[in-house]
Amino acid sequence: AQKVTQAQTEISVVEKEDVTLDCVYETRDTTYYLFWYKQPPSGELVFLIRRNSFDEQNEISGRYSWNFQKSTSSFNFTITASQVVDSAVYFCALVPGTYKYIFGTGTRLKVLA
Amino acid sequence: SQTIHQWPATLVQPVGSPLSLECTVEGTSNPNLYWYRQAAGRGLQLLFYSVGIGQISSEVPQNLSASRPQDRQFILSSKKLLLSDSGFYLCAWSPANTGELFFGEGSRLTVL
Repeated sequence: AQKVTQAQTEISVVEKEDVTLDCVYETRDTTYYLFWYKQPPSGELVFLIRRNSFDEQNEISGRYSWNFQKSTSSFNFTITASQVVDSAVYFCALVPGTYKYIFGTGTRLKVLA
Repeated sequence: SQTIHQWPATLVQPVGSPLSLECTVEGTSNPNLYWYRQAAGRGLQLLFYSVGIGQISSEVPQNLSASRPQDRQFILSSKKLLLSDSGFYLCAWSPANTGELFFGEGSRLTVL
């Protein structure tokens, strides 16, 4: 089976706190891609990052960082010093070498001022 | 640069009425095209995808259909809407089967 699990349905944090969004995936393919998307209240999905299965280096982009661990099939997303503008639904997605993007159910992040 | 547009942005339709949502991509050729649905409080469900004109793959059996009459045009249709068809519909395109997905603005459908 190929699937993406985002077990955290909703997370609330206070501004300036760090928060980690979990993503666990399943695939038998050895070549695949992983994505994170942000969906602000406006509804449109915004691309955040793409990672291929052969690159386990962690990535940092400003306050955002991603931890890819093949051993645990996880691709977690951390926001450091969260801000109110980070409030959104975040989706993790798997592309297991086909045309089909498999999305998780999303995690709603609420950052309170 | 490439852009994607879908319309209408908001639609309220009675049960049993037809549906047509349209999506157009500009600035690229032969894109892969997708229709997703997001029900309230739920994740993204892939409905259809297309790798070329006239080539449509359906992921979920339902009363919806899709067509790709032109290279950069993707249409989602229904002959008779059901209450369960309510949701947020997103069109997307990608330049390759593993490339980034670019999403449209979304169409919010309410079936009454």
